Amino acid sequence: ELKVEQNPLFLSMQEGKNYTIYCNYSTTSDRLYWYRQDPGKSLESLFVLLSNGAVKQEGRLMASLDTKARLSTLHITAAVHDLSATYFCAVQETSGSRLTFGEGTQLTVNP
Amino acid sequence: EAQVTQNPRYLITVTGKKLTVTCSQNMNHEYMSWYRQDPGLGLRQIYYSMNVEVTDKGDVPEGYKVSRKEKRNFPLILESPSPNQTSLYFCASSPWTGGGEKLFFGSGTQLSVL
Repeated sequence: ELKVEQNPLFLSMQEGKNYTIYCNYSTTSDRLYWYRQDPGKSLESLFVLLSNGAVKQEGRLMASLDTKARLSTLHITAAVHDLSATYFCAVQETSGSRLTFGEGTQLTVNP
Repeated sequence: EAQVTQNPRYLITVTGKKLTVTCSQNMNHEYMSWYRQDPGLGLRQIYYSMNVEVTDKGDVPEGYKVSRKEKRNFPLILESPSPNQTSLYFCASSPWTGGGEKLFFGSGTQLSVL
């Protein structure tokens, strides 16, 4: 059974600071996704990472994938309040089409 | 506008009363799936479908049924709902190219089973 673990689960940070959210998974995969969910809203796609060493950046967010370590990171640079949301990573097994989500990281950026 | 439409948005029902949550997408996507979201558990996949008449179980399929008779529709059926199925449900779709496509999510259905 594929397990996906995120940490931290809760993150409170000040505007302007940097931080990293980690996503570890338990089985072979080269397909990893990051989603954002605002309170009371649906999920929207942030990044799709499809190979070892993949790096994607959008604004203040940068995601990377290390398939050998079974680890993805979502790095936040110079956080702003608008980034406050819950961030989910999701992993798709190489051999199939099931998608397993992590528990989510609730990020709060304080002025 | 490209979208995934779920109905209803909110639903309160009683134990044992059959219900259906509808999901429709207008993007001609092959892949559709259902998730439930519970606090502290993230999203868990209930069922998915890779094309018409092709469905498969996700991680938590017990107590749910699905069908995929048309490409655009993927309803979720609870034959005999129980209180432990109280949850926030999301439908999602994507093109299928062997994996690696982002999901488009519906707005969600908040279900309460009394």
